Amino acid sequence: QVQLVESGGGVVQPGRSLRLSCAASGFTFNTYAVHWVRQAPGKGLEWVALISYDGSNTYYADSVRGRFTISRDNSKNTLYLQMNSLRVEDTAIYYCARGLGGTYWYFDVWGRGTLVTVSS
Amino acid sequence: EIVLTQSPATLSLSPGERATLSCRASQSVSTYLAWYQQKPGQAPRLLIYDASNRATGIPARFSGSASGTDFTLTISSLEPEDFAVYYCQQRSNWITFGQGTRLEIK
Repeated sequence: QVQLVESGGGVVQPGRSLRLSCAASGFTFNTYAVHWVRQAPGKGLEWVALISYDGSNTYYADSVRGRFTISRDNSKNTLYLQMNSLRVEDTAIYYCARGLGGTYWYFDVWGRGTLVTVSS
Repeated sequence: EIVLTQSPATLSLSPGERATLSCRASQSVSTYLAWYQQKPGQAPRLLIYDASNRATGIPARFSGSASGTDFTLTISSLEPEDFAVYYCQQRSNWITFGQGTRLEIK
């Protein structure tokens, strides 16, 4: 079945780095744009980043631009999020989400998320 | 940034009743608006996109409509599994979400 599985979350100190991964299965990964969306504990949803189906275009929320990098390896059906210079306010569950085909700025398949906690 | 304001913050209804959730955009988003449902401990689920199109597998009791910058999600007759938090999201200018409406059992 169509599935996204995130990994790589954990506890990290402010200023440090972390890389998240998202493994895709059950669909043709290299034909879909994919996103990262985050949710702080008990809070609402915040879009983080988008990468096009072939990796040629990337877009970021202002809150993470310059610190986070989204990338993908279509040969491994895997999405990544490199997070540098982490801040306490980056603490959240990070979801990878597939862009809805043809209108890829909506999210039609979501992973279960991975928790990132930034704390000293 | 386009701000989406959802109302009410909490809606208390009983199974079988009709639910009406609102989302107001701070400026025009055309019909580029979606609705998601999120249950505790789960990822969100896409219900409606482009204001009124049901996503794959979504029951017909869920419907969406638009009037200018005001958007409505209607659940015609609540089932027990519909009690959750609902978010709207616009894609007209980057991506932003509303703050959510909690639909709870009365």
